[in-house]
Amino acid sequence: DAKTTQPTSMDCAEGRAANLPCNHSTISGNEYVYWYRQIHSQGPQYIIHGLKNNETNEMASLIITEDRKSSTLILPHATLRDTAVYYCIVRASGNAGNMLTFGGGTRLMVKP
Amino acid sequence: DAGVIQSPRHEVTEMGQEVTLRCKPISGHNSLFWYRQTMMRGLELLIYFNNNVPIDDSGMPEDRFSAKMPNASFSTLKIQPSEPRDSAVYFCASRQGAFNQPQHFGDGTRLSIL
Repeated sequence: DAKTTQPTSMDCAEGRAANLPCNHSTISGNEYVYWYRQIHSQGPQYIIHGLKNNETNEMASLIITEDRKSSTLILPHATLRDTAVYYCIVRASGNAGNMLTFGGGTRLMVKP
Repeated sequence: DAGVIQSPRHEVTEMGQEVTLRCKPISGHNSLFWYRQTMMRGLELLIYFNNNVPIDDSGMPEDRFSAKMPNASFSTLKIQPSEPRDSAVYFCASRQGAFNQPQHFGDGTRLSIL
């Protein structure tokens, strides 16, 4: 799986958009980009995933650059409950994609 | 909809005892995964099942660990005998359909072996 690079930590004001970047410059054509988050003492929570098109769901939007070398997770109106560690994961399809490899992630702190 | 349900949430036991962790996947999901998370090693895949059949157990640390999935709605991870280095948070996850679909995690079992 391609390696990802994320900032160690970020702050965001409550009610504002949180934009979390991820670099995956070695991504290959069959690899998807996934975002999960983990709130202390809970299991990883799936947020969104995509291959090359931008995606949106009820939780967030995922913007993938045209060359697919980076992406941004957008939480449109961050709340205090969005404080968590956010993981960007690049994963192949097929058998190789069964294990999720979580890196260090970005610790997002939403402040009042 | 109910998510992945794991039990117990916390387990504290003495070295040498048998430990059994339980998981109920999301209804309709056909793949199930057991992970272990520690500060030192992060999240590690132990084993995964597809349609109740173990497909890849290469992550299982040693013979002390075993996992079963007797039916589509239940799986167990057993450690016998347990050792202090097995202390970790154990997560179960399930997935519906193809490989590119997301895995959904339970809230884990925090295991402490004294």
